[in-house]
Amino acid sequence: KNEVEQSPQNLTAQEGEFITINCSYSVGISALHWLQQHPGGGIVSLFMLSSGKKKHGRLIATINIQEKHSSLHITASHPRDSAVYICAVAGGTSYGKLTFGQGTILTVHP
Amino acid sequence: DTEVTQTPKHLVMGMTNKKSLKCEQHMGHRAMYWYKQKAKKPPELMFVYSYEKLSINESVPSRFSPECPNSSLLNLHLHALQPEDSALYLCASSPGLARSSYNEQFFGPGTRLTVL
Repeated sequence: KNEVEQSPQNLTAQEGEFITINCSYSVGISALHWLQQHPGGGIVSLFMLSSGKKKHGRLIATINIQEKHSSLHITASHPRDSAVYICAVAGGTSYGKLTFGQGTILTVHP
Repeated sequence: DTEVTQTPKHLVMGMTNKKSLKCEQHMGHRAMYWYKQKAKKPPELMFVYSYEKLSINESVPSRFSPECPNSSLLNLHLHALQPEDSALYLCASSPGLARSSYNEQFFGPGTRLTVL
C-alpha cells in the first residue's frame, strides 16, 4: 500500500461541473501539497496545507489532519483545467522530502 | 521574481556525450532539488542541496553529478547515460528544509532529456 493514495486515478467531466479529487495518507506529515502538471509540462504548486482550508480562484483545498485526508475541489471546471493533479506530503523529517501520490488525470470536455 | 528556470527545455544526447542541465532561482531560497520523472509516474527525488551543500543523494548512479556553485544555481552534469535515463528532469527550490511553512517547493518547467 502506498503512503499516499489518490482517487480517482482518472476523472472525466463536462465543462462547468464541480470536481473533487481525494488524497489519503498513512504517515505523519508536516504539510500537504497539491500540484498541477499539464501534459509534457512542468509542475505548478497549487496549495500547501497544514490545516483547514485554502481557496484560490476556482480551486479549494481542504485537509483533515485527524482523518489523514485532503480534498481538492474545482468549481465551474473548464477544459484548461485538464491536467494531472498530484498530492504530495512532507513528512516529519527535517529535509522536506515529498512523498507523491500517483496523480489523478483530469479531462474536462467542452 | 517567483520562478524557477531550467535550461535547456529539451536535450538529446548520445551515451558517450557529456552534457549539463541548469536550474536557477532568484527567490532567495536556500534549498534546491533535482527530480526525475518518467512518463505517467510521479517525480522521484534525486538530490537535495541545502545552503549549497549536498544534503540528500537518493542512491543516484554516479553518471549523474550535481553541483551547486552558489545559492541561486543548481547544475546536473550528465555523463555516459543510458537510454533508460530518458525522462523529464525537474528542478525545485524551497526557502529552507525546515518543517511546515518553509517546505513549499516551487518547481521549474523541466528539461526533457532523450538518451539515444
